[in-house]
Amino acid sequence: DQQVKQNSPSLSVQEGRISILNCDYTNSMFDYFLWYKKYPAEGPTFLISISSIKDKNEDGRFTVFLNKSAKHLSLHIVPSQPGDSAVYFCAASSISNFGNEKLTFGTGTRLTIIP
Amino acid sequence: NAGVTQTPKFQVLKTGQSMTLQCAQDMNHNSMYWYRQDPGMGLRLIYYSASEGTTDKGEVPNGYNVSRLNKREFSLRLESAAPSQTSVYFCASSVSLGANYGYTFGSGTRLTVV
Repeated sequence: DQQVKQNSPSLSVQEGRISILNCDYTNSMFDYFLWYKKYPAEGPTFLISISSIKDKNEDGRFTVFLNKSAKHLSLHIVPSQPGDSAVYFCAASSISNFGNEKLTFGTGTRLTIIP
Repeated sequence: NAGVTQTPKFQVLKTGQSMTLQCAQDMNHNSMYWYRQDPGMGLRLIYYSASEGTTDKGEVPNGYNVSRLNKREFSLRLESAAPSQTSVYFCASSVSLGANYGYTFGSGTRLTVV
């Protein structure tokens, strides 16, 4: 049972445009969400996170939006750059629920930025 | 550089062979994890260790064993490898179990079982 879902396996975006990556979750206990970025032959690296008490968090070109009622979050990258080409994993956790703090990952979306 | 080190980077095993994947971190983190990454499945937790001396099963523990040798090292053992265990394995560590502490990942071990 996939609790965190990324329904788009791949996405191609023109350089300079906005990239929007989507993620849905089913577990209402999740209260902390993260995005990780992964290049080939490397481990995932942390990109940005958001707590369930917020609906938006911004860090430079990256913004994460959280819609708790829809159990949906999205990552916006503006403007997209060639170095953003990677696999992006959405992840969720229940940090306030002892025993369920560990990360649950989505299936990943491969983003390709077209020069 | 500080971080998580995994060895080996690549390995080919025959069905039924055994091997141990090694992981070490030098960030003084308490918690360590083993994940596997498969196409279309994302990263799935195999085992984790909340702190030195403890280990617990994750989502997909069957066919694996782990040892938290000390605070720095967390190894993953395949006793009798099967083709279904062909995957990329990632070790990770964090200050504590809470995701808000952030996980640091190693660069992975690509394992093929033939």
